[in-house]
Amino acid sequence: GQQVMQIPQYQHVQEGEDFTTYCNSSTTLSNIQWYKQRPGGHPVFLIQLVKSGEVKKQKRLTFQFGEAKKNSSLHITATQTTDVGTYFCAGRGGYSTLTFGKGTMLLVSP
Amino acid sequence: SAVISQKPSRDICQRGTSLTIQCQVDSQVTMMFWYRQQPGQSLTLIATANQGSEATYESGFVIDKFPISRPNLTFSTLTVSNMSPEDSSIYLCSAFNADTEAFFGQGTRLTVV
Repeated sequence: GQQVMQIPQYQHVQEGEDFTTYCNSSTTLSNIQWYKQRPGGHPVFLIQLVKSGEVKKQKRLTFQFGEAKKNSSLHITATQTTDVGTYFCAGRGGYSTLTFGKGTMLLVSP
Repeated sequence: SAVISQKPSRDICQRGTSLTIQCQVDSQVTMMFWYRQQPGQSLTLIATANQGSEATYESGFVIDKFPISRPNLTFSTLTVSNMSPEDSSIYLCSAFNADTEAFFGQGTRLTVV
């Protein structure tokens, strides 16, 4: 079955440093989604990437979808303490398949 | 977007008892799922809740332990049966349609004593 690997599992940065999490799928995806889960909360949708090579930005967050539609990344520029949480990617392979990566927990120290 | 109401939000249960968690979606959705998550850890998929038929369970999860119902396209329940302390976790329901993102309930924090 489809597998989605996400690294790193955990990262601790100083406020102002950049952060990147990477996602790799064992199969070609129709799209990839990113979610953020704040401590004590539930995952909340951030964005969806559909096209090969697509790049989208949300303020300090940059999302990329690989040319082969099998990998993706989320980059946060100049992290803030409000960025703390776990970031999940989720790959859609088919109509009913949405496979979540294991997530990257981000801790930001002021 | 869809809004999912999940209840209870938390519970403390005696070992050997059962707890049923409910999720109500404010619109019809194609797919509904149940996850388990330890605080700060990844999402573990328990099963896909199929409308009108038996749920599809992931490896390591069985119907006798985690019976699931989905009587219609907006509602599902997960029962954690014959609980032990190892069942202490956060349980999340999720839903999506073919062309949408996934929505999550607020989660149920279960403690078994």
